[in-house]
Amino acid sequence: DAGITQSPRHKVTETGTPVTLRCHQTENHRYMYWYRQDPGHGLRLIHYSYGVKDTDKGEVSDGYSVSRSKTEDFLLTLESATSSQTSVYFCAISARINTEAFFGQGTRLTVV
Amino acid sequence: AQSVTQLGSHVSVSEGALVLLRCNYSSSVPPYLFWYVQYPNQGLQLLLKYTSAATLVKGINGFEAEFKKSETSFHLTKPSAHMSDAAEYFCAVSDNQAGTALIFGKGTTLSVSS
Repeated sequence: DAGITQSPRHKVTETGTPVTLRCHQTENHRYMYWYRQDPGHGLRLIHYSYGVKDTDKGEVSDGYSVSRSKTEDFLLTLESATSSQTSVYFCAISARINTEAFFGQGTRLTVV
Repeated sequence: AQSVTQLGSHVSVSEGALVLLRCNYSSSVPPYLFWYVQYPNQGLQLLLKYTSAATLVKGINGFEAEFKKSETSFHLTKPSAHMSDAAEYFCAVSDNQAGTALIFGKGTTLSVSS
């Protein structure tokens, strides 16, 4: 299995609080991604990174920010959590474009 | 932009029956295509991938998929379903631009009955 660790695995937070999810990889892959998974929507891209300090928005980026200060770490921050951000969040990595991505085990976030 | 459509959000088969999960893509350039499987409370696992070599791609657990350019399809099949195949399956396409991510379909849940 690819060395991808997501933390925390589960979190319950209150509306309006900031939340940071962490993705750590040991594969030295260049590309890292954050997706959210919701019933009926599949996986939707939030943000991705194509190198240290190089990030870009995905399909559903509103309300989220990311940072990548090291190759191995990709952080997803919800500045002010809302109930619509209750979801399962997946981090993924890939070595190059047009190749498969490897996924972490996911973080289940509940905003109450 | 590329997109993926998975026909049928839920497919039910009997154990031993043929599994057919449908995926159609839209693309103006030759795509790279993938099938992933997700078991409950787990991440996604790659089943197989098409990267412009052979049009018939074999994957893990007895699954295979055929790339048909004329039909813009990449359907997933397995000759004989097992109970352990029950899971959610996702088709994905690679946007052929530098620095972008896989685009996923909405998924198909496969149920297998005995």
